[in-house]
Amino acid sequence: LAKTTQPISMDSYEGQEVNITCSHNNIATNDYITWYQQFPSQGPRFIIQGYKTKVTNEVASLFIPADRKSSTLSLPRVSLSDTAVYYCLGSSNFGNEKLTFGTGTRLTIIP
Amino acid sequence: DSGVTQTPKHLITATGQRVTLRCSPRSGDLSVYWYQQSLDQGLQFLIHYYNGEERAKGNILERFSAQQFPDLHSELNLSSLELGDSALYFCASSVEGRYGYTFGSGTRLTVV
Repeated sequence: LAKTTQPISMDSYEGQEVNITCSHNNIATNDYITWYQQFPSQGPRFIIQGYKTKVTNEVASLFIPADRKSSTLSLPRVSLSDTAVYYCLGSSNFGNEKLTFGTGTRLTIIP
Repeated sequence: DSGVTQTPKHLITATGQRVTLRCSPRSGDLSVYWYQQSLDQGLQFLIHYYNGEERAKGNILERFSAQQFPDLHSELNLSSLELGDSALYFCASSVEGRYGYTFGSGTRLTVV
């Protein structure tokens, strides 16, 4: 299983671009990198997933370098509603039976 | 609405009691995962079922058990409850891990 390391917390101002980096030195060859967002008292919500290079959707971008030992979630022009905990984790093609979330990064957006 | 339904949303019970939490996965999803999240803690993996069969166990207590039924809904049974079992219990479902998990809104269990 890929052990991931993220900053415990980050603060940013509204309208800024926020980059959250995750380290996963022992990621398996067939693991994808997946990011989730969790608001208080709610279940985590899938944000984005990628294998390598760059993936972009309507919510975020995900950058994964060639060595895949890290990944960066980029949130463009954040707003107060982006205040949440963000988790990164590795997941395999066929379901990671013991998928474990770390402590995540608590992102606080300041008005 | 994520498509994953958990009932009840809230549950208050006394120590020593037994409760059952229910999860209906998203249509088409064969995998069901259970997680526990205590106050200000991360999500702790409990157990995974795939199409009725147990696939993996995390740090699930012996007082806890689960099963997945032929219609793919799952139940998490918690017995001999202790104060420390108070937490949010989430269920998630997936087709395959590749496409991410879909989480339900959780059951908040309070043991008094």
